[in-house]
Amino acid sequence: AQKVTQAQTEISVVEKEDVTLDCVYETRDTTYYLFWYKQPPSGELVFLIRRNSFDEQNEISGRYSWNFQKSTSSFNFTITASQVVDSAVYFCALSGDNTGKLIFGQGTTLQVKP
Amino acid sequence: DTEVTQTPKHLVMGMTNKKSLKCEQHMGHRAMYWYKQKAKKPPELMFVYSYEKLSINESVPSRFSPECPNSSLLNLHLHALQPEDSALYLCASSQGRQGFSNIQYFGAGTRLSVL
Repeated sequence: AQKVTQAQTEISVVEKEDVTLDCVYETRDTTYYLFWYKQPPSGELVFLIRRNSFDEQNEISGRYSWNFQKSTSSFNFTITASQVVDSAVYFCALSGDNTGKLIFGQGTTLQVKP
Repeated sequence: DTEVTQTPKHLVMGMTNKKSLKCEQHMGHRAMYWYKQKAKKPPELMFVYSYEKLSINESVPSRFSPECPNSSLLNLHLHALQPEDSALYLCASSQGRQGFSNIQYFGAGTRLSVL
């Protein structure tokens, strides 16, 4: 069975703090993809990153960075120097078969206070 | 441009009404999806269309009826809904045939209230 766990339900930080959102996944597939999406209060899920199971290189995009570790089945997301606009619900998701189904974690609500 | 447009943004309907949700994309994507999202929960997949054919129905009640008239358009017809169907309905699309590597791009959703 496939499963994604985001243990942090809510996180609150003050602007300019760094924050890491945890994501742990379970799958028996050898080939799979991991995703992060951001959902601001407006409702739209905004795609942030896709990572395949064979590529364990960490990735940085501006203030965002992702750490993928197959050994611990984790795909964590760090926001450096957080801003109020980063306030949103963040979902980690797994796709491991060709149905196109995304298995979402429960989401982490991030509140960045000024 | 990764835009998926959903209309209407908000919808209030009675349990005896018939209404439709509309989703449109012009990115040339050939897979389209409907999700239902309750407050403080992740999206739940309802239907998947691949090349205009229904490929996945996640045991959704028949009061929800999807339709894919062409590769750019996806509708969700609603009839005799229940108050527990109130939720945010999200549409998504992805390139090519449905597949596990495909990035799904989402619309802003329709917030549905059933009275």
